[in-house]
Amino acid sequence: ETGVTQSPTHLIKTRGQQVTLRCSSQSGHNTVSWYQQALGQGPQFIFQYYREEENGRGNFPPRFSGLQFPNYSSELNVNALELDDSALYLCASSLFIRNTEAFFGQGTRLTVV
Amino acid sequence: QQQVKQSPQSLIVQKGGISIINCAYENTAFDYFPWYQQFPGKGPALLIAIRPDVSEKKEGRFTISFNKSAKQFSLHIMDSQPGDSATYFCAASTGTYKYIFGTGTRLKVLA
Repeated sequence: ETGVTQSPTHLIKTRGQQVTLRCSSQSGHNTVSWYQQALGQGPQFIFQYYREEENGRGNFPPRFSGLQFPNYSSELNVNALELDDSALYLCASSLFIRNTEAFFGQGTRLTVV
Repeated sequence: QQQVKQSPQSLIVQKGGISIINCAYENTAFDYFPWYQQFPGKGPALLIAIRPDVSEKKEGRFTISFNKSAKQFSLHIMDSQPGDSATYFCAASTGTYKYIFGTGTRLKVLA
């Protein structure tokens, strides 16, 4: 088991609502990346946070936003939820070093109805 | 050019056999290639990773073979066990930015 923890583990929301997902990074890690994994697919990069600032973003609309806190934990916020947002959301923590390993949490399963 | 193509989509292997999963990429800027194992309901777990300055890396029963000129890399699981039954993802990245994942291979090892 990695030291990356995510909460909650499961969540059901209604279309149009907003959701906040949380991630505590592994001890000593200063970088957090968020991924969306649709059923049967590989994870897709949403964005990365380093030093409390967004450091790169994938092909996701602005209604996906995030925060990183001084203790390196992070939040993913999604506004105006759509049915297609139903997925497993994964947080990965790492050091901000080239070609370093990233360790994933267990994910939050979001279902939008 | 940002894609990583993974095959096969699914694989069935007898216990004790060798499981082989292949990945191909186009972006020559990729310089880090990890493999992840994922069990149902869990997050991906790092198995083994390779950089393009080596052609092979082995850790226990897991071996990555890397062919830089062909822009291909593969995972070999020796002496496959039923506990290895999971979905395997290859990935590629350029530095600290983001991982591009393959579409996954669902491996089933028969007892």
